[in-house]
Amino acid sequence: KAGVTQTPRYLIKTRGQQVTLSCSPISGHRSVSWYQQTPGQGLQFLFEYFSETQRNKGNFPGRFSGRQFSNSRSEMNVSTLELGDSALYLCASSHSYEQYFGPGTRLTVT
Amino acid sequence: GNSVTQMEGPVTLSEEAFLTINCTYTATGYPSLFWYVQYPGEGLQLLLKATKADDKGSNKGFEATYRKETTSFHLEKGSVQVSDSAVYFCALMNGSGNQFYFGTGTSLTVIP
Repeated sequence: KAGVTQTPRYLIKTRGQQVTLSCSPISGHRSVSWYQQTPGQGLQFLFEYFSETQRNKGNFPGRFSGRQFSNSRSEMNVSTLELGDSALYLCASSHSYEQYFGPGTRLTVT
Repeated sequence: GNSVTQMEGPVTLSEEAFLTINCTYTATGYPSLFWYVQYPGEGLQLLLKATKADDKGSNKGFEATYRKETTSFHLEKGSVQVSDSAVYFCALMNGSGNQFYFGTGTSLTVIP
């Protein structure tokens, strides 16, 4: 089975721009979660989707949004980028109470 | 609420030394507990898990026992190798199975 894939792997954006990151879960997994990882804050939960519905949301501003499609693929969007949004964004798909992570998208905001 | 506390890093050990990384948790209900490992430039990989009290998870020489009485899930390995150098994350999954909570991670460097 193919693992969790994330695209793009690296991204450089300018303050004020918006960005969309994509995640394809493992085939058959219906739950997708997103995390932001930074050196100072560690791994912070953004949101979780199951069958196209957001089930859980972390403590992030409304600039961070996501969605899930009928094939379980998920996207997250960050609008009006700030320097502090520079981070590794990790996607994880879940099945049978285990999470499997993708390699992440490294976002740099300049 | 739910939370995970890990020992502060970084940890530096010589090859073949004994490793312990402490992890304690706070949870409502009956959580499952996990250790993940992250190698440089990669995402997190599941290392081991335990789903109920007194369960012992093990993989690749690493072990951790789910201790409800001390709310702990310490990671141990008897003899570390250079290839074990990575960041280790303790995590819990809530009883509903729909949210994970991660510790801040402990960086381990093993020197030859």
